[in-house]
Amino acid sequence: GAVVSQHPSRVICKSGTSVKIECRSLDFQATTMFWYRQFPKQSLMLMATSNEGSKATYEQGVEKDKFLINHASLTLSTLTVTSAHPEDSSFYICSARGQTGNTEAFFGQGTRLTVV
Amino acid sequence: AQSVTQLGSHVSVSEGALVLLRCNYSSSVPPYLFWYVQYPNQGLQLLLKYTTGATLVKGINGFEAEFKKSETSFHLTKPSAHMSDAAEYFCAVSGNSGYSTLTFGKGTMLLVSP
Repeated sequence: GAVVSQHPSRVICKSGTSVKIECRSLDFQATTMFWYRQFPKQSLMLMATSNEGSKATYEQGVEKDKFLINHASLTLSTLTVTSAHPEDSSFYICSARGQTGNTEAFFGQGTRLTVV
Repeated sequence: AQSVTQLGSHVSVSEGALVLLRCNYSSSVPPYLFWYVQYPNQGLQLLLKYTTGATLVKGINGFEAEFKKSETSFHLTKPSAHMSDAAEYFCAVSGNSGYSTLTFGKGTMLLVSP
């Protein structure tokens, strides 16, 4: 299958700072990227969907000003957690899907964010 | 609207025993169905998927699942569990278009004992 690389795998930051997480599709063009958040021992909750060159579509309850998503190219999307708080600590996972009609989305390895 | 219900947050089996992880879905459109596996602190790996055609689908690592429309089910099975199968398993559903998003179940942790 196609490869999606997510970086960093772990990050610890201080409260009030911002953290950027990158998601790259290494061997295909990702027209759509998805960002999920996963709490311990729980399922993945979709945060937002982004299409290359367009503004992201956020799920209800997700603060768009806090979780900034950029999908400027067909191989890179970024999630920036702004003014991080301890309650933002979580596991964040991206996935990427290729051209329309392709049913499979490929997942990155995830990023463990800890805000202290 | 779509939803997924995975029965049992934990399933324990002995090595060599049958693995059965249950998944029921609801969907207002013909569904595409997926099973993913997640190891600790890692992303998701696709085990298998059903889109159209044969209702019994075979995936990686000896897993298979059967789409039963009348029962709105997509249970995951493996004839003989291996220690390396211990992980979290997620069932997911999407619509049948390229624009559809995945809706995940809450996951089932598979525990395998020697």
